[in-house]
Amino acid sequence: EAGVAQSPRYKIIEKRQSVAFWCNPISGHATLYWYQQILGQGPKLLIQFQNNGVVDDSQLPKDRFSAERLKGVDSTLKIQPAKLEDSAVYLCASSLFSYEQYFGPGTRLTVT
Amino acid sequence: QKEVEQNSGPLSVPEGAIASLNCTYSDRGSQSFFWYRQYSGKSPELIMFIYSNGDKEDGRFTAQLNKASQYVSLLIRDSQPSDSATYLCAVNRGFGNEKLTFGTGTRLTIIP
Repeated sequence: EAGVAQSPRYKIIEKRQSVAFWCNPISGHATLYWYQQILGQGPKLLIQFQNNGVVDDSQLPKDRFSAERLKGVDSTLKIQPAKLEDSAVYLCASSLFSYEQYFGPGTRLTVT
Repeated sequence: QKEVEQNSGPLSVPEGAIASLNCTYSDRGSQSFFWYRQYSGKSPELIMFIYSNGDKEDGRFTAQLNKASQYVSLLIRDSQPSDSATYLCAVNRGFGNEKLTFGTGTRLTIIP
């Protein structure tokens, strides 16, 4: 069974630029999550989708972050404009019915 | 007060000994509790989950939960160098695909 795929794996941008990350969940997984993990901290949920609907986006900085999951499969997370404090690993995870969330390899973003 | 607190470590344990990792949480409504292992530069992977008071064993791992004290722990018996990683505690208000709140993690080093 293929795991959660993410791209790119690494991205370096300058502040005020925009960036987009892509996630393809495990086939059949209805729930998709985007987390932000800053160095030395645990993952923080940014947004949760159930199929193509948003379940929780309470911690998403909506003035600069946006996410979509068209057709209930792939998802993209965008940051525009980026700030220095956005430097982090962005993790995508997916789950079926149960509690177990499977994480992708992450995208390491560096904002200079 | 942080929602989920862990000692950041590092925790050093000799090979073959028992490693004990601790976690406290602030939300008394939390229902399910998870331990994730994260190797350096990798994504988190689920080790165990528990939602009833008491102990739950899986191989060399034992999770312990005390809801009255709002405390959850992970014991690793016969510690191996391959157990060296950061261990993340996460809590969930429900039993399903609700929001996970992570602690900052405890870095564990097994000394050969």
